[in-house]
Amino acid sequence: AQSVAQPEDQVNVAEGNPLTVKCTYSVSGNPYLFWYVQYPNRGLQFLLKYITGDNLVKGSYGFEAEFNKSQTSFHLKKPSALVSDSALYFCAVRDLTGTASKLTFGTGTRLQVTL
Amino acid sequence: NAGVMQNPRHLVRRRGQEARLRCSPMKGHSHVYWYRQLPEEGLKFMVYLQKENIIDESGMPKERFSAEFPKEGPSILRIQQVVRGDSAAYFCASNRALVGGTDTQYFGPGTRLTVL
Repeated sequence: AQSVAQPEDQVNVAEGNPLTVKCTYSVSGNPYLFWYVQYPNRGLQFLLKYITGDNLVKGSYGFEAEFNKSQTSFHLKKPSALVSDSALYFCAVRDLTGTASKLTFGTGTRLQVTL
Repeated sequence: NAGVMQNPRHLVRRRGQEARLRCSPMKGHSHVYWYRQLPEEGLKFMVYLQKENIIDESGMPKERFSAEFPKEGPSILRIQQVVRGDSAAYFCASNRALVGGTDTQYFGPGTRLTVL
């Protein structure tokens, strides 16, 4: 079975500072990893994904994520945070066992960016 | 290209009533997924459908819940005899049928079900 852990319920950062939202995963095969963002009372918006290739993945809104196989991590990063980045962030792993291709999500990390 | 459409956005039902949630996938997408998000929790997979087929329903409660994706029309998630514990946000996602399962799932805005 696959799983995702987001160890921090909330991350606080000042605007202009770099941010990191942590994610670790567990899968039996090759991991397909995703980051989504959810704004209040909205659906999930896709940010980026790792399938194969370069360990540093660039996504929407200036976000990037680094895949680290030895540490089984896929941390989300941004060099300079904005107040508008404040939202709920979900890491997810794709399950490809059998005929299923569902996503398994972490519990989410709330990012709060302040002036 | 319109995104994933869900309706209604908000649904209020009394205990014992039926709830029907609709999802129209993005154009060109033939795979639909339903997820449930309980308050202050992450999303939990419920069911995965293709046209006229249920592929994986391992996340569906055994009773009262059913889903379909007919040849024509939207996918429907149906909850019979709703109880207060069914109150949640229900999200639909869709993707194309790429070999290897690498395609991204795109999510709709969700239906927020409140059971009184």
